[in-house]
Amino acid sequence: KAGVTQTPRYLIKTRGQQVTLSCSPISGHRSVSWYQQTPGQGLQFLFEYFSETQRNKGNFPGRFSGRQFSNSRSEMNVSTLELGDSALYLCASSLSGSSYNSPLHFGNGTRLTVT
Amino acid sequence: DAKTTQPTSMDCAEGRAANLPCNHSTISGNEYVYWYRQIHSQGPQYIIHGLKNNETNEMASLIITEDRKSSTLILPHATLRDTAVYYCIVPPGNEKLTFGTGTRLTIIP
Repeated sequence: KAGVTQTPRYLIKTRGQQVTLSCSPISGHRSVSWYQQTPGQGLQFLFEYFSETQRNKGNFPGRFSGRQFSNSRSEMNVSTLELGDSALYLCASSLSGSSYNSPLHFGNGTRLTVT
Repeated sequence: DAKTTQPTSMDCAEGRAANLPCNHSTISGNEYVYWYRQIHSQGPQYIIHGLKNNETNEMASLIITEDRKSSTLILPHATLRDTAVYYCIVPPGNEKLTFGTGTRLTIIP
């Protein structure tokens, strides 16, 4: 069974640009969540989608947005990039969307560098 | 949300059992304990989870105390590839996971 796939693996952008990251969940998983990981802040929750609806959102500005398609694939977008947006962006999928008894399975992330 | 406390770092000799402790004294009755690990430059990897009973899978064993206020992850025969940061997490019932700083486990040859 294929794991969570994130593309691209690496990305370099300039301040002010926008970027779109893609995530393909494990087949059959309906929940997709996104996280930002930086050395200083650790791993922080961005948002979660289940059946094309955003169910939870973390404390990030409106420049960060996402969506989920009918096949459960998800994209996240960051507009007007800032230097502080440089980070590893991780996507995770799970069966039910509730982490009580549904482990998250992570992709290997997209490393975004903003110059 | 139940907070977890883990040692910052641990060493273990290759081939020996690695025992990683975690305190979660404010855990509520229906909250699971999850363990993930992250090897440098990769996404976190799910290891195991449990509610009350001890659990074992092909990767590890999870021992949860009777009062559920602490748990121990056991890697029975540690290899160099087990060197990673290990996170003990009690999810708050949604996906807003807080991973904290975890335990940096180093396997010594």
